[in-house]
Amino acid sequence: DGGITQSPKYLFRKEGQNVTLSCEQNLNHDAMYWYRQDPGQGLRLIYYSQIVNDFQKGDIAEGYSVSREKKESFPLTVTSAQKNPTAFYLCASSDTAGYSNQPQHFGDGTRLSIL
Amino acid sequence: QQPVQSPQAVILREGEDAVINCSSSKALYSVHWYRQKHGEAPVFLMILLKGGEQKGHEKISASFNEKKQQSSLYLTASQLSYSGTYFCGTALYGGSQGNLIFGKGTKLSVKP
Repeated sequence: DGGITQSPKYLFRKEGQNVTLSCEQNLNHDAMYWYRQDPGQGLRLIYYSQIVNDFQKGDIAEGYSVSREKKESFPLTVTSAQKNPTAFYLCASSDTAGYSNQPQHFGDGTRLSIL
Repeated sequence: QQPVQSPQAVILREGEDAVINCSSSKALYSVHWYRQKHGEAPVFLMILLKGGEQKGHEKISASFNEKKQQSSLYLTASQLSYSGTYFCGTALYGGSQGNLIFGKGTKLSVKP
């Protein structure tokens, strides 16, 4: 079955450490997204990519970086510059690049905490 | 620009109905609705587009009032499985600029 796989499910970060969250999709979708979810805040867009080798900052990109070297993969790195990284991170994809008339399909998320 | 959802939370008994609203201060191109159970991925329910087109599950009912820039999600004859947090996501534009801005969510609890 097609879908989005995020790993790991839980991740702990030490002070000053960069960590990378994995997101892989086999839906053959062009667009991929990273969201951050904090309690009571909804989903906030970190980065999105509409095509391989191209990506754009979302609303809260500071302290994060991404790459899109393959259509099916969109890893997110939480850098040491992100001072409050504790959150639930969701990866999503959609069929047509960036079009808001297409549903987004979400992975099961990664919960990141500070040690 | 974040859409405002109301109510923030609602508790129902099985079989009761509920309406969840999503309002924007900006003219919208589309409204998406998703349901998320605790610790799980949001699941797509419905898209409503400017002009009246809808895409989504047959058992889900929703409306989009373009004059008021407000969408409403109608949950009828609620079941225990309807419990979760409902999010609306709004897009101001179509095409490549059509990224979603999500509301803070409405927590729905259905009791036996």
